[in-house]
Amino acid sequence: EAGVAQSPRYKIIEKRQSVAFWCNPISGHATLYWYQQILGQGPKLLIQFQNNGVVDDSQLPKDRFSAERLKGVDSTLKIQPAKLEDSAVYLCASSSLAGELFFGEGSRLTVL
Amino acid sequence: SQKIEQNSEALNIQEGKTATLTCNYTNYSPAYLQWYRQDPGRGPVFLLLIRENEKEKRKERLKVTFDTTLKQSLFHITASQPADSATYLCALDGAGSYQLTFGKGTKLSVIP
Repeated sequence: EAGVAQSPRYKIIEKRQSVAFWCNPISGHATLYWYQQILGQGPKLLIQFQNNGVVDDSQLPKDRFSAERLKGVDSTLKIQPAKLEDSAVYLCASSSLAGELFFGEGSRLTVL
Repeated sequence: SQKIEQNSEALNIQEGKTATLTCNYTNYSPAYLQWYRQDPGRGPVFLLLIRENEKEKRKERLKVTFDTTLKQSLFHITASQPADSATYLCALDGAGSYQLTFGKGTKLSVIP
């Protein structure tokens, strides 16, 4: 069974530029999450999708972050414009109804 | 406010000994609690899930306990090996919403 795929693995941008991250979850998993993990911290939930609908985006900084999951499968997370404090690893995860999350390897963003 | 605390940022232990990691929480009524392992540069990997009505769960050398009165979970690795060295994350589901909140993690180092 293929795992959660994320790309790119690494991205370096200047502040005020934009960036997009892509995620393809495990086949058949209806729920998809984007987490932000700052160095030395645990993952922090940004947004949760159930199929192509948003369940919770209360911690997503909507002035600069956006996410979509148009066909209920893969998802894109965009940051525009990026700030220095957005430097982090962006983790995508998916789950079935069993409860455990399956994470991708993450996309490491450095904002200069 | 809701808080998840993992007892220490780092724990060093001799090979062969039992490692015990602690997760305390406040202002949560979790339906279940999960433990994940995270290696440097990788996404978290699910280890164990324990439900609010379960006291203990085991998987090979791993054991998790869950005390909803003390609001605490203990995670044990018996006969620890250098390959167990990683960061271990505790995560709670606040209301059965399949939405996990993570602690900061404890970095375990098993010394040969």
